[in-house]
Amino acid sequence: DGGITQSPKYLFRKEGQNVTLSCEQNLNHDAMYWYRQDPGQGLRLIYYSQIVNDFQKGDIAEGYSVSREKKESFPLTVTSAQKNPTAFYLCASSMGTQNYGYTFGSGTRLTVV
Amino acid sequence: RKEVEQDPGPFNVPEGATVAFNCTYSNSASQSFFWYRQDCRKEPKLLMSVYSSGNEDGRFTAQLNRASQYISLLIRDSKLSDSATYLCVVIPFGTNAGKSTFGDGTTLTVKP
Repeated sequence: DGGITQSPKYLFRKEGQNVTLSCEQNLNHDAMYWYRQDPGQGLRLIYYSQIVNDFQKGDIAEGYSVSREKKESFPLTVTSAQKNPTAFYLCASSMGTQNYGYTFGSGTRLTVV
Repeated sequence: RKEVEQDPGPFNVPEGATVAFNCTYSNSASQSFFWYRQDCRKEPKLLMSVYSSGNEDGRFTAQLNRASQYISLLIRDSKLSDSATYLCVVIPFGTNAGKSTFGDGTTLTVKP
């Protein structure tokens, strides 16, 4: 079955550590996205990629980095520069950036300990 | 002012009721609109697209009013299983098409 897979489901990070969240899709979608969701709030866009080897900053890119070396994969690194990283991280993909709905992965809950 | 605004609710309605949510947006150069449903601690799932002509899927009807810059979602004959948070998303035209903006969501609780 086609879908989008995020791992791990739960992640604990110590202060000052970088961590990488995985996102893989087998839907043959061109566009991929990373969002952050804090309790009681909507989704905020971190980064997005419309094609391989290209990505753009979203509204809250500071302290995060991404790569898009393969169409199927769009990993997100939360760096030590992100001062408040505890949140629910959601990866999504779509056939294109306009007129297409998004398919979301099941998310990664990141907690700083 | 936020780019996309939703009434957070909560909306508490009895089973069988009709309930409507609105979502206003500030960027007139917006092209695509969607409604998503999100259950507690889960990922959002696409509920329906929103077209200028309006569209219906069973008990759900979505409308777009470009002149007043809002979209709406109407749920008829509410079921207990409709209890969730409903998110609207607005996608701009052109080169910024990847920069979607989600509303903060409207929480619906349907009670027996």
